[in-house]
Amino acid sequence: QEQLVESGGGLVKPGGSLRLSCATSGFTFSDYNMIWIRQAPGKGLEWIAYISHSGGTISYADSVGGRFTISRDNAKNSHYLQMNSLRAEDTAVYFCARGGIRGFDPWGQGTLVTVSS
Amino acid sequence: QSVVTQPSSASGTPGQRVTISCSGSNSNIGSNSVSWYQQLPGTAPKLLIYSNSQRPSGVPDRFSGSKSGPSAFLAISGLQSEDEADYYCASWDDSLIGYVFGTGTKVTVL
Repeated sequence: QEQLVESGGGLVKPGGSLRLSCATSGFTFSDYNMIWIRQAPGKGLEWIAYISHSGGTISYADSVGGRFTISRDNAKNSHYLQMNSLRAEDTAVYFCARGGIRGFDPWGQGTLVTVSS
Repeated sequence: QSVVTQPSSASGTPGQRVTISCSGSNSNIGSNSVSWYQQLPGTAPKLLIYSNSQRPSGVPDRFSGSKSGPSAFLAISGLQSEDEADYYCASWDDSLIGYVFGTGTKVTVL
């Protein structure tokens, strides 16, 4: 069964940092691109980061570029989102998902990040 | 704020057909494929349609997708109470060099 599980969310003060992890199982991780998507409370979905299967191509939404870094470890079947200089507007549920020509599937269950003093 | 817009809400009675639009531009929907997602309350989104009109295995054939120029459409035929959810379209944007989601549509079954 293909599965993604996020971890690392929590409460952090403005200006602080967090590292989210997305552990995968049930498929050949190194064959797939991976993405991070977030959803602020009561709001819609926002794509924030993409990393290609090899890690050679990376892209960010303007809202997080320069503050967030996506990475992956194909040996550990995991990818990560390092979030620095966090702001109140980064408060959201963060989802990881497998990306590709067949859309974003599957998704993890999400992890909540709250940025507040 | 999103460059891809959807109606905020849509509704229908059980058994009816509901169509949701997703309006973008030549840099996203007009030149790239569209996928659609269903998000039930309190859960992660689920893929409904990919490559404009393809259904993953397990998705009922009541759900269908189409695309015309810079717009895409999701149709739900034979509406059921369990279809009450938020629906989002998504596409790659060549100008933004990233993915964009539509603003989302809340479907209510009356």
